[in-house]
Amino acid sequence: GAVVSQHPSWVICKSGTSVKIECRSLDFQATTMFWYRQFPKQSLMLMATSNEGSKATYEQGVEKDKFLINHASLTLSTLTVTSAHPEDSSFYICSARGLTSGPYEQYFGPGTRLTVT
Amino acid sequence: DQQVKQNSPSLSVQEGRISILNCDYTNSMFDYFLWYKKYPAEGPTFLISISSIKDKNEDGRFTVFLNKSAKHLSLHIVPSQPGDSAVYFCAASAEQSWGKLQFGAGTQVVVTP
Repeated sequence: GAVVSQHPSWVICKSGTSVKIECRSLDFQATTMFWYRQFPKQSLMLMATSNEGSKATYEQGVEKDKFLINHASLTLSTLTVTSAHPEDSSFYICSARGLTSGPYEQYFGPGTRLTVT
Repeated sequence: DQQVKQNSPSLSVQEGRISILNCDYTNSMFDYFLWYKKYPAEGPTFLISISSIKDKNEDGRFTVFLNKSAKHLSLHIVPSQPGDSAVYFCAASAEQSWGKLQFGAGTQVVVTP
């Protein structure tokens, strides 16, 4: 149980275009989803927290107009990188916490590798 | 400012020996600590956790020790196996932060035959 998927697993896009990444909880309802990014050989940095049906809460320094997060259902959250630039190239990982999860339980997706050319 | 630090980027250990991974934190509000294992191009998978009210938690080959006064925790893996080769992340959370996790930079463990 507690499986989280992400789609796509990798994507290449041109500078200036937008790209959408999906995060799905496959066998549980996720009341909260977290979005992280990871640069090579660095830690996972929390970008934002989204609760189903509410606006996402962004961490300091993360541009909410650039990284649009939607959590419209209990099984799906999306991250849209708008007007992507090469510096947005990174590994994006989502995690989800379910209705019956403890406060510290998070189940991670496999990640999405974004390359902006 | 990095509140969770893993100062050893890599660790090489022989199969069957003990692996000891270290983690330091600066935020005294952290009250829950977790260790995750991560393979390349995959998301982290949960290994073991410890609450700040304890100083040790054991699960099979994995033991986590917490020294609150030193703001230090460690993960012991014994005996180490080739399948343990991965990046290990230490993470911390504070109750007031609604479960948001702060991660360290990770330690690459290589278990050699």
